[in-house]
Amino acid sequence: AQKITQTQPGMFVQEKEAVTLDCTYDTSDPSYGLFWYKQPSSGEMIFLIYQGSYDQQNATEGRYSLNFQKARKSANLVISASQLGDSAMYFCAMRGGYNQGGKLIFGQGTELSVKP
Amino acid sequence: DGGITQSPKYLFRKEGQNVTLSCEQNLNHDAMYWYRQDPGQGLRLIYYSQIVNDFQKGDIAEGYSVSREKKESFPLTVTSAQKNPTAFYLCASSPSGFPYEQYFGPGTRLTVT
Repeated sequence: AQKITQTQPGMFVQEKEAVTLDCTYDTSDPSYGLFWYKQPSSGEMIFLIYQGSYDQQNATEGRYSLNFQKARKSANLVISASQLGDSAMYFCAMRGGYNQGGKLIFGQGTELSVKP
Repeated sequence: DGGITQSPKYLFRKEGQNVTLSCEQNLNHDAMYWYRQDPGQGLRLIYYSQIVNDFQKGDIAEGYSVSREKKESFPLTVTSAQKNPTAFYLCASSPSGFPYEQYFGPGTRLTVT
């Protein structure tokens, strides 16, 4: 069965510093995708970054990068130069192969607080 | 502007009543999804639909029903059979092409008393 684990319920970071949010996954499917979403207090889920299981390079999107270590089954999110607006819940999610219907399995989330 | 709308933002119902949550998208996406989120938890899949007139159960479908008569719309009915209906409900859609990233609506917070 597929599973996503986020072991950090809460994290604090000083403004302008970098922070790493951990995510490990478990799947027997050779083809899968890993996503990170941000959920501010308003509740809406905002798509941040995607990494495919066959991608050779780590994904980057602006201040977000994904540290993908396939052998360790980890897909950590790195946020550089943290801003106050980065304070939110962050969810790691995994999509299986096409026969999984594109549905996502989510971790429990990490609450990030950025201190001024 | 393209996007996903969910209405209403807040919904209150008495126990024993069925209630329907609306989800509409104008992104021309084929697939649509309903998730439930409880406080301090991740999202759990209720139902999903990859094409009009077809849908599949997710991990927690009991007590819920859906329909997909139009590409743009995927309403969710929370029936009286759902034992703990109070939760935050999120609708999402995704294109049929790789990598199938999902885009979410603003959510509906349902309170049943």
